[in-house]
Amino acid sequence: DVKVTQSSRYLVKRTGEKVFLECVQDMDHENMFWYRQDPGLGLRLIYFSYDVKMKEKGDIPEGYSVSREKKERFSLILESASTNQTSMYLCASSPPDRTNYGYTFGSGTRLTVV
Amino acid sequence: DAKTTQPNSMESNEEEPVHLPCNHSTISGTDYIHWYRQLPSQGPEYVIHGLTSNVNNRMASLAIAEDRKSSTLILHRATLRDAAVYYCILPLISNFGNEKLTFGTGTRLTIIP
Repeated sequence: DVKVTQSSRYLVKRTGEKVFLECVQDMDHENMFWYRQDPGLGLRLIYFSYDVKMKEKGDIPEGYSVSREKKERFSLILESASTNQTSMYLCASSPPDRTNYGYTFGSGTRLTVV
Repeated sequence: DAKTTQPNSMESNEEEPVHLPCNHSTISGTDYIHWYRQLPSQGPEYVIHGLTSNVNNRMASLAIAEDRKSSTLILHRATLRDAAVYYCILPLISNFGNEKLTFGTGTRLTIIP
């Protein structure tokens, strides 16, 4: 089974700090995604990547950046954390074959910015 | 971009079948229909996906209307562990031609013991 591991389950950071959320997958998937989930808003796509060093903005990229230096690792960066970035962050990966793929999600990182 | 419409919530009795509907009237001919579910305090998990014909796997069945404008996720015998939010999703194409899945708010399924 594919495993997607997010480095922290809970994280508390101060306003203005630079925050790194790490995600690692172990099945050689090309595609990786970062979502945030807030009550009543569902999951919203922040950034995604279809190859090493490739990235594309999702629906809500403002205030975030990403890094994908290795195929298995996809990092989400909050350049200067703000309280409105308090949320559950979910990472996912998938193979590229659109006829036979499913996203595998990590367990999430609940980030609180104070 | 194709969108989906699902009821906000549904209830079902334990050990009975559950039919979760989804409307996607603007679906294109090549769009796969995806279903995911999210159990409490967990990330979403893949359930099933299909293109035209009905699909079955160990978790559920997916019945797709002949005109593909709607589909139904079928849980054959609901258990308490099936209580979750169920998402029906059509992939969107990004500005650079890559597929992505955008989750709506889904259907919250409650199982009554």
